[in-house]
This record gives sequence, structure tokens and C-alpha cells, in this order.
Amino acid sequence: QKEVEQNSGPLSVPEGAIASLNCTYSDRVSQSFFWYRQYSGKSPELIMSIYSNGDKEDGRFTAQLNKASQYVSLLIRDSQPSDSATYLCAAQNSGSARQLTFGSGTQLTVLP
Amino acid sequence: DGGITQSPKYLFRKEGQNVTLSCEQNLNHDAMYWYRQDPGQGLRLIYYSQIVNDFQKGDIAEGYSVSREKKESFPLTVTSAQKNPTAFYLCASSARTGFSTNQPQHFGDGTRLSIL
Repeated sequence: QKEVEQNSGPLSVPEGAIASLNCTYSDRVSQSFFWYRQYSGKSPELIMSIYSNGDKEDGRFTAQLNKASQYVSLLIRDSQPSDSATYLCAAQNSGSARQLTFGSGTQLTVLP
Repeated sequence: DGGITQSPKYLFRKEGQNVTLSCEQNLNHDAMYWYRQDPGQGLRLIYYSQIVNDFQKGDIAEGYSVSREKKESFPLTVTSAQKNPTAFYLCASSARTGFSTNQPQHFGDGTRLSIL
């Protein structure tokens, strides 16, 4: 069974700090990885995608991928109260259907 | 504006009743998906479709049915066979992916289904 594991949290960080969210996946052939942000009662919103080993930066967000360790992370610099949400990690398989397997999410609270 | 429209926002089902959730997209995406989300949990795939007139079961298809008669539309029916239908239902779409490209999925605003 393909699985994506996340620490459910809750994770609390003070405003201005770096929030670090982690994710591991079991399917070695997964090729693409996505981070979604989901505010309470709302639908998931794509914030980052990463396909190659290493770091990918977009504004205050940095995604990190290590395929050898089957590990994906998301760093949020200068965290703001508006970043408080649940963050979902998703792994896309390599088959033609390109299905996503989602983790259960990490709840992040940024304290003012 | 391009996007994915789900309706209704809230839906109530009576015992023994089938209900249909609507999903329409104007993004010209080939692939469409239905997910179910229970409180505090991630998304679980119900059905997906990569092309018109074709769809496949996901991980939790029992008690659900779909159709894909038009590229823009992918309605989900929750049948009376689904004994625990209360959940947040999310529709997503993506451009068709080949083996060398990666296309993320984008979501509609969701439908909350409850039992009366």
C-alpha cells in the first residue's frame, strides 16, 4: 500500500520564525510531490511542487526533496499568523493515471 | 475566470436516498478526480477520469458512481449503499500528463454532505 506519512501536529511557532513541515513516502517510484495548504473549512490550495532532488524556493516557501531517503519537507520562513492552516503533502505515482496519495496533514499555528 | 465549480455547497441526504454532487470545470483539463475528506484526515480517492467516457475506481469507490459524458463535467452520485456518507467531498482536475510532464491537481470549493 502506497503511503504518505506526516506528523499531524499541531505544530506551533511564533510569528517570524521558520516553520518546518515533514513528510515521508513509501512508494519508491513516486516522481512528483506537492504541498497544499488547507484553511479550516476550505478546499486545498496548491502552494509548492517539487520534482527533483534538492531545494526549490518560492517566496517565503522552500520545498526540499530527498528521493534516496524518501523524504519531502516544506520550510516557511518569516511565518505569519495567516500561515496558520493544515498543510497536506501529496506524492504522485509514475503510472499513466498520475494519481496523488495524500498524507493526513500537519496543522500549523503561528502565534502572534 | 477559469476554475472548478462544485455544487451545492451543502447537501443533506435522507435514508435510502441517492444524491448527486456536481463538478464543472472550464480549465480545459482532461483529467478529473473525486476525493472524500473526513475530519482530521487526508484526502481519499473515490473515482477518477482521464478522458471523456472513461473513468476508474479509486481506493474507496464502493457506494459511489460517476459519469463523464462531457469534458467539463464529472458528477458524483452517492448511493444508498454508502452507509457513512457524511464527509467533505472535493472535486479536482488536472491537465493530462504524459510520462515526462507533471501537472498538479487543482480543487473546487467542495460539497459538505450530511445525513438527515
